[in-house]
Amino acid sequence: GAGVSQTPSNKVTEKGKYVELRCDPISGHTALYWYRQSLGQGPEFLIYFQGTGAADDSGLPNDRFFAVRPEGSVSTLKIQRTERGDSAVYLCASSLIGVRGNEQFFGPGTRLTVL
Amino acid sequence: AQSVAQPEDQVNVAEGNPLTVKCTYSVSGNPYLFWYVQYPNRGLQFLLKYITGDNLVKGSYGFEAEFNKSQTSFHLKKPSALVSDSALYFCAVRSEDTDKLIFGTGTRLQVFP
Repeated sequence: GAGVSQTPSNKVTEKGKYVELRCDPISGHTALYWYRQSLGQGPEFLIYFQGTGAADDSGLPNDRFFAVRPEGSVSTLKIQRTERGDSAVYLCASSLIGVRGNEQFFGPGTRLTVL
Repeated sequence: AQSVAQPEDQVNVAEGNPLTVKCTYSVSGNPYLFWYVQYPNRGLQFLLKYITGDNLVKGSYGFEAEFNKSQTSFHLKKPSALVSDSALYFCAVRSEDTDKLIFGTGTRLQVFP
């Protein structure tokens, strides 16, 4: 079956611009996660959705970052006034909920480069 | 606070030899532990997990991991390494009361022919 998909695969933007990154989870997965992976580091948690609502947004670094999931499926991560330090690979994952210790399935990521 | 340590940036092993990639963790309560593998320009692929039960868990591609509660470790192992196992490996942990994963910094496994 189809896995988690993310678009675009690469995004180059200029400092100060606004960007949107999209994630399509595995069909039927009600939990959706965003992580950020900087060069040479492990993924860092940003935000977690159960259905349409953000259950945990404690990892968002500041108010320039925002994510939505209006219909409980596709999610968009939005970054305003991008900074060079935002350059990273943004990973999306999805999982089933209600299953103890369920693993998260990751998409291929969006590589964001802020010039 | 939850944390994961992968003390080795890189592990080198000859093909056919056993391999071990180390991971230690810190979490309040019972841990849920995971190993993921990342190939170049690809997303993270799930290998195996420990939730409860038998301390030795088996996963994909012949990998296994041993949970050791007293040493708070979850080392990844494989009896006979393949060149195709060369990749970046991440250990991750979460506690029972949260869904976010905390990842280690990764260990690059290089298997030489």
